[in-house]
Formats: sequence, C-alpha cells, structure tokens
Amino acid sequence: AQTVTQSQPEMSVQEAETVTLSCTYDTSESDYYLFWYKQPPSRQMILVIRQEAYKQQNATENRFSVNFQKAAKSFSLKISDSQLGDAAMYFCAYRSLSGGYNKLIFGAGTRLAVHP
Amino acid sequence: DTEVTQTPKHLVMGMTNKKSLKCEQHMGHRAMYWYKQKAKKPPELMFVYSYEKLSINESVPSRFSPECPNSSLLNLHLHALQPEDSALYLCASIGGAKNIQYFGAGTRLSVL
Repeated sequence: AQTVTQSQPEMSVQEAETVTLSCTYDTSESDYYLFWYKQPPSRQMILVIRQEAYKQQNATENRFSVNFQKAAKSFSLKISDSQLGDAAMYFCAYRSLSGGYNKLIFGAGTRLAVHP
Repeated sequence: DTEVTQTPKHLVMGMTNKKSLKCEQHMGHRAMYWYKQKAKKPPELMFVYSYEKLSINESVPSRFSPECPNSSLLNLHLHALQPEDSALYLCASIGGAKNIQYFGAGTRLSVL
C-alpha cells in the first residue's frame, strides 16, 4: 500500500522569503501522480501543483515549484516570494494510475505561517 | 468553471435528527467523492461514486447514507449521528483532461 509522509507539522516564513515543504512517499508503482493541495482557513482544498511521475521535468506554477526526486521518492514544494495569503495547511497527495477510482492518499499536512 | 458547491456551510444537529448534505457540480465530471476531515488532519475518503454508481464505501457506518440522484448531484443523508461524527465534510469531483480532483468548501457539521 502507498503511504505519504510529511515530516514537518508546522513551518513559518517571512513575507517575500522562500520556504520549502517536504514530502516523501512509498510506492512500488512506476507511474502515478503527485499533488500539493492548499487548505486555507476558508476550508476549501485548492490544487497548488501537479506532477506526473513519468515526467522528469519539475512542475512549476508561478511562485510554486516542486523538486521531484523519483528514485528518492521525494516531492518537496518550494514557495518563492511568500505572501500572507500563502498561510494555510498544505497537503501532499499521491494518486495511483491503476484502478482505485482516482483515490487520493494524503500526508498528514504541514501548517505554514507567513509573518509580515 | 471549476466549482463544486456544497450546502449548507454549517449544520448543527442532535443525535436523533435526520439531515442531508448536498454537493453539486456542473463540470460534467463522472466521479464524485465524500470525505470526512477532523481538525488538523487530512481528509479521509468515505465514498466514491462513478457514473452514478457507488464504487467505494470505505467501511463507513450505516448512519451515513450516500445518494447520487444524477451525474451533477451528490447527497449525504445523516441519521442518528454521534458527537464523534462532528467534522468538516468535503465533496469532490474529478474530471477533465488532467483528471484533477476539485473540492467544495465543505459543510462544518456539529453533532450535539
């Protein structure tokens, strides 16, 4: 069974600085998707970034980028030029490509605080 | 439009009440999900509907009863809940070329 581990329960960053959130996962599959979701106090889970395992190139979305290390089973999220609106709970998630009705397996989450 | 709409936003109910949560999406997605999320925890999958048929039930107690009347609508009927069922209930749907799961803002449920 696949597992996702986020080892940092809480992180903090100064506004305009850069922060990296860690995520590791365990799987025996070769093809899968990885995601970072953001959940602000408004509660809605918002997709931040998506990575397909067969793509070597790291995904980027504006200020958000990932460092995907397939062999190490690591998928960290880098937030550049942090903004107050980035404060939220961040969940790393894994999704298998084989069956399972696109079930997401979430990590425990990292709460990010952004200080002015 | 990538919106999943959940109503109500908040719900307080007694242990003998019957209530329903509603989830709607108009993105043409064919799979819809119910999750339960306790404070400071990740969402836990409860049910998956695929093409309006129940495909996954993650051993959820029968006091939670899902229903998918059509491809755009998903309900969760609640009956005889326990205080430990108090949580945020999230709905999601999946579709599109990138097969992304989109979430609603959730219903905050309190069982007294």
